[in-house]
Amino acid sequence: GDSVTQMEGPVTLSEEAFLTINCTYTATGYPSLFWYVQYPGEGLQLLLKATKADDKGSNKGFEATYRKETTSFHLEKGSVQVSDSAVYFCALSTNSGGSNYKLTFGKGTLLTVNP
Amino acid sequence: NAGVTQTPKFRILKIGQSMTLQCAQDMNHNYMYWYRQDPGMGLKLIYYSVGAGITDKGEVPNGYNVSRSTTEDFPLRLELAAPSQTSVYFCATSQGAYEQYFGPGTRLTVT
Repeated sequence: GDSVTQMEGPVTLSEEAFLTINCTYTATGYPSLFWYVQYPGEGLQLLLKATKADDKGSNKGFEATYRKETTSFHLEKGSVQVSDSAVYFCALSTNSGGSNYKLTFGKGTLLTVNP
Repeated sequence: NAGVTQTPKFRILKIGQSMTLQCAQDMNHNYMYWYRQDPGMGLKLIYYSVGAGITDKGEVPNGYNVSRSTTEDFPLRLELAAPSQTSVYFCATSQGAYEQYFGPGTRLTVT
Protein backbone atom coordinates (compact mmCIF):
# COMPACT_ATOMS: atom_id res chain seq x y z
CA GLY A 1 0.00 0.00 0.00
CA ASP A 2 0.87 3.66 -0.08
CA SER A 3 3.21 4.99 2.58
CA VAL A 4 5.13 8.12 3.52
CA THR A 5 8.34 8.17 5.52
CA GLN A 6 9.57 11.45 6.87
CA MET A 7 12.47 12.54 8.99
CA GLU A 8 12.10 11.82 12.67
CA GLY A 9 12.06 14.82 14.92
CA PRO A 10 12.25 16.87 16.85
CA VAL A 11 14.34 19.33 14.89
CA THR A 12 15.69 22.37 16.73
CA LEU A 13 17.26 25.25 14.81
CA SER A 14 18.36 28.78 15.45
CA GLU A 15 16.65 31.63 13.66
CA GLU A 16 17.96 32.19 10.10
CA ALA A 17 19.28 28.60 9.84
CA PHE A 18 18.66 26.44 6.77
CA LEU A 19 15.92 23.83 7.08
CA THR A 20 15.56 20.47 5.36
CA ILE A 21 12.94 17.90 6.32
CA ASN A 22 13.27 14.70 4.31
CA CYS A 23 10.26 12.88 2.90
CA THR A 24 10.16 9.75 0.75
CA TYR A 25 7.12 7.86 -0.44
CA THR A 26 5.88 4.57 -1.83
CA ALA A 27 2.82 4.66 -4.05
CA THR A 28 1.19 2.95 -6.97
CA GLY A 29 0.53 5.16 -9.95
CA TYR A 30 1.30 8.85 -9.93
CA PRO A 31 0.52 10.49 -6.61
CA SER A 32 0.10 14.15 -5.77
CA LEU A 33 2.41 15.25 -2.95
CA PHE A 34 1.73 17.72 -0.17
CA TRP A 35 3.31 19.38 2.83
CA TYR A 36 0.94 20.37 5.62
CA VAL A 37 1.80 22.45 8.67
CA GLN A 38 0.15 22.29 12.08
CA TYR A 39 0.71 25.20 14.47
CA PRO A 40 0.19 24.54 18.18
CA GLY A 41 -3.47 23.94 19.06
CA GLU A 42 -4.65 24.22 15.46
CA GLY A 43 -5.71 22.00 12.59
CA LEU A 44 -3.55 21.21 9.58
CA GLN A 45 -3.04 23.79 6.86
CA LEU A 46 -1.77 23.12 3.37
CA LEU A 47 1.71 24.59 2.98
CA LEU A 48 2.53 23.55 -0.58
CA LYS A 49 1.83 20.86 -3.14
CA ALA A 50 3.10 19.28 -6.37
CA THR A 51 1.02 17.17 -8.70
CA LYS A 52 3.55 15.75 -11.16
CA ALA A 53 7.21 14.84 -11.46
CA ASP A 54 9.69 17.75 -11.39
CA ASP A 55 7.02 20.19 -10.17
CA LYS A 56 8.24 22.54 -7.45
CA GLY A 57 5.76 23.66 -4.81
CA SER A 58 6.52 26.85 -2.92
CA ASN A 59 4.89 29.03 -0.29
CA LYS A 60 6.05 31.39 2.49
CA GLY A 61 9.71 30.75 1.61
CA PHE A 62 9.31 26.96 1.78
CA GLU A 63 10.00 24.81 -1.28
CA ALA A 64 9.78 21.14 -2.23
CA THR A 65 10.42 19.41 -5.55
CA TYR A 66 8.63 16.24 -6.68
CA ARG A 67 11.45 13.81 -7.54
CA LYS A 68 10.04 10.68 -9.17
CA GLU A 69 13.43 9.03 -9.66
CA THR A 70 14.18 9.14 -5.93
CA THR A 71 10.51 9.06 -4.79
CA SER A 72 11.19 12.09 -2.62
CA PHE A 73 9.60 15.44 -1.73
CA HIS A 74 11.98 17.11 0.71
CA LEU A 75 10.92 20.36 2.36
CA GLU A 76 13.45 23.23 2.45
CA LYS A 77 13.62 26.79 3.67
CA GLY A 78 16.66 29.01 3.41
CA SER A 79 16.17 31.03 6.60
CA VAL A 80 13.73 29.90 9.28
CA GLN A 81 11.94 32.19 11.71
CA VAL A 82 10.60 31.59 15.22
CA SER A 83 7.10 31.73 13.73
CA ASP A 84 7.90 28.61 11.64
CA SER A 85 7.87 26.48 14.80
CA ALA A 86 5.22 23.84 14.13
CA VAL A 87 4.70 20.21 13.14
CA TYR A 88 5.21 19.47 9.45
CA PHE A 89 3.50 16.57 7.70
CA CYS A 90 4.35 15.11 4.33
CA ALA A 91 1.41 13.45 2.57
CA LEU A 92 0.42 11.87 -0.69
CA SER A 93 -2.86 11.41 -2.49
CA THR A 94 -3.76 8.83 -5.08
CA ASN A 95 -6.91 7.82 -6.85
CA SER A 96 -6.73 4.26 -5.64
CA GLY A 97 -8.83 2.58 -8.29
CA GLY A 98 -12.09 4.35 -7.50
CA SER A 99 -13.42 7.76 -6.67
CA ASN A 100 -11.71 8.04 -3.33
CA TYR A 101 -8.88 10.51 -2.93
CA LYS A 102 -7.44 9.61 0.42
CA LEU A 103 -4.41 11.25 1.95
CA THR A 104 -1.64 9.11 3.41
CA PHE A 105 0.39 11.02 5.99
CA GLY A 106 3.84 10.70 7.41
CA LYS A 107 4.18 10.77 11.19
CA GLY A 108 5.08 14.45 11.33
CA THR A 109 8.24 16.34 12.23
CA LEU A 110 8.25 18.82 15.09
CA LEU A 111 10.31 21.91 14.29
CA THR A 112 11.35 24.35 17.01
CA VAL A 113 13.13 27.56 16.03
CA ASN A 114 14.93 29.44 18.77
CA PRO A 115 15.64 33.19 18.63
CA ASN B 1 -17.13 31.66 4.81
CA ALA B 2 -16.50 29.60 7.93
CA GLY B 3 -14.78 26.76 6.03
CA VAL B 4 -14.79 23.61 8.16
CA THR B 5 -16.20 23.84 11.67
CA GLN B 6 -16.11 21.22 14.42
CA THR B 7 -17.91 21.01 17.73
CA PRO B 8 -17.18 20.57 20.55
CA LYS B 9 -13.58 21.75 20.92
CA PHE B 10 -12.98 19.63 24.01
CA ARG B 11 -14.84 16.79 25.67
CA ILE B 12 -14.28 14.37 28.52
CA LEU B 13 -16.23 11.12 28.40
CA LYS B 14 -16.52 8.28 30.85
CA ILE B 15 -15.88 4.74 29.62
CA GLY B 16 -19.01 3.34 28.00
CA GLN B 17 -20.62 6.70 27.22
CA SER B 18 -21.55 7.74 23.70
CA MET B 19 -21.22 11.02 21.87
CA THR B 20 -21.36 12.60 18.44
CA LEU B 21 -18.64 14.84 17.06
CA GLN B 22 -20.07 17.37 14.67
CA CYS B 23 -18.47 18.56 11.45
CA ALA B 24 -19.92 21.08 9.03
CA GLN B 25 -18.56 22.72 5.88
CA ASP B 26 -19.74 25.58 3.70
CA MET B 27 -17.29 24.98 0.85
CA ASN B 28 -19.66 22.79 -1.18
CA HIS B 29 -17.04 20.04 -1.31
CA ASN B 30 -18.15 16.53 -2.12
CA TYR B 31 -15.51 14.69 -0.12
CA MET B 32 -15.38 14.65 3.66
CA TYR B 33 -13.08 12.78 6.02
CA TRP B 34 -12.59 11.99 9.69
CA TYR B 35 -9.08 11.49 11.09
CA ARG B 36 -7.69 10.84 14.50
CA GLN B 37 -4.31 12.15 15.55
CA ASP B 38 -2.36 10.34 18.23
CA PRO B 39 0.99 11.70 19.51
CA GLY B 40 3.88 10.76 17.23
CA MET B 41 1.62 8.74 14.94
CA GLY B 42 0.49 11.20 12.32
CA LEU B 43 -3.12 11.07 11.20
CA LYS B 44 -5.15 7.94 10.66
CA LEU B 45 -8.29 7.92 8.50
CA ILE B 46 -11.39 6.70 10.33
CA TYR B 47 -14.16 7.13 7.74
CA TYR B 48 -14.70 9.12 4.61
CA SER B 49 -17.55 10.11 2.32
CA VAL B 50 -17.56 10.91 -1.38
CA GLY B 51 -20.99 12.50 -1.31
CA ALA B 52 -24.31 12.64 0.49
CA GLY B 53 -25.54 9.14 1.28
CA ILE B 54 -22.17 7.47 0.60
CA THR B 55 -19.67 6.56 3.31
CA ASP B 56 -16.80 4.10 3.57
CA LYS B 57 -14.32 2.83 6.13
CA GLY B 58 -10.79 4.09 6.45
CA GLU B 59 -7.86 2.53 8.29
CA VAL B 60 -9.25 2.58 11.84
CA PRO B 61 -13.10 2.44 11.76
CA ASN B 62 -13.73 0.15 14.73
CA GLY B 63 -15.75 1.80 17.48
CA TYR B 64 -17.03 4.60 15.23
CA ASN B 65 -19.97 5.25 12.92
CA VAL B 66 -20.75 8.00 10.45
CA SER B 67 -23.62 9.26 8.35
CA ARG B 68 -23.82 11.79 5.52
CA SER B 69 -27.37 12.92 4.90
CA THR B 70 -26.37 16.31 3.46
CA THR B 71 -23.37 17.73 1.60
CA GLU B 72 -22.63 20.06 4.51
CA ASP B 73 -22.61 17.74 7.53
CA PHE B 74 -20.60 14.65 8.43
CA PRO B 75 -21.06 13.65 12.08
CA LEU B 76 -18.89 11.00 13.74
CA ARG B 77 -20.54 8.82 16.37
CA LEU B 78 -18.65 7.08 19.17
CA GLU B 79 -20.55 4.25 20.80
CA LEU B 80 -19.32 2.78 24.10
CA ALA B 81 -16.29 5.04 24.47
CA ALA B 82 -13.00 3.37 25.42
CA PRO B 83 -9.70 4.87 26.69
CA SER B 84 -8.11 3.89 23.35
CA GLN B 85 -10.34 6.51 21.71
CA THR B 86 -8.62 9.32 23.58
CA SER B 87 -7.26 11.41 20.73
CA VAL B 88 -7.62 14.59 18.73
CA TYR B 89 -10.19 14.25 15.95
CA PHE B 90 -10.02 16.24 12.74
CA CYS B 91 -12.63 16.60 10.05
CA ALA B 92 -11.51 17.55 6.54
CA THR B 93 -13.05 18.24 3.14
CA SER B 94 -11.82 18.22 -0.44
CA GLN B 95 -13.12 18.58 -3.95
CA GLY B 96 -11.78 15.53 -5.71
CA ALA B 97 -8.05 14.90 -5.88
CA TYR B 98 -7.03 18.26 -4.51
CA GLU B 99 -5.86 19.49 -1.16
CA GLN B 100 -7.88 18.77 1.93
CA TYR B 101 -9.08 21.53 4.24
CA PHE B 102 -9.08 20.73 7.92
CA GLY B 103 -11.22 21.86 10.82
CA PRO B 104 -9.71 23.01 14.13
CA GLY B 105 -10.14 19.62 15.82
CA THR B 106 -11.91 18.11 18.82
CA ARG B 107 -9.79 16.96 21.75
CA LEU B 108 -11.46 13.94 23.36
CA THR B 109 -10.43 12.28 26.60
CA VAL B 110 -12.03 9.01 27.73
CA THR B 111 -11.49 8.13 31.40
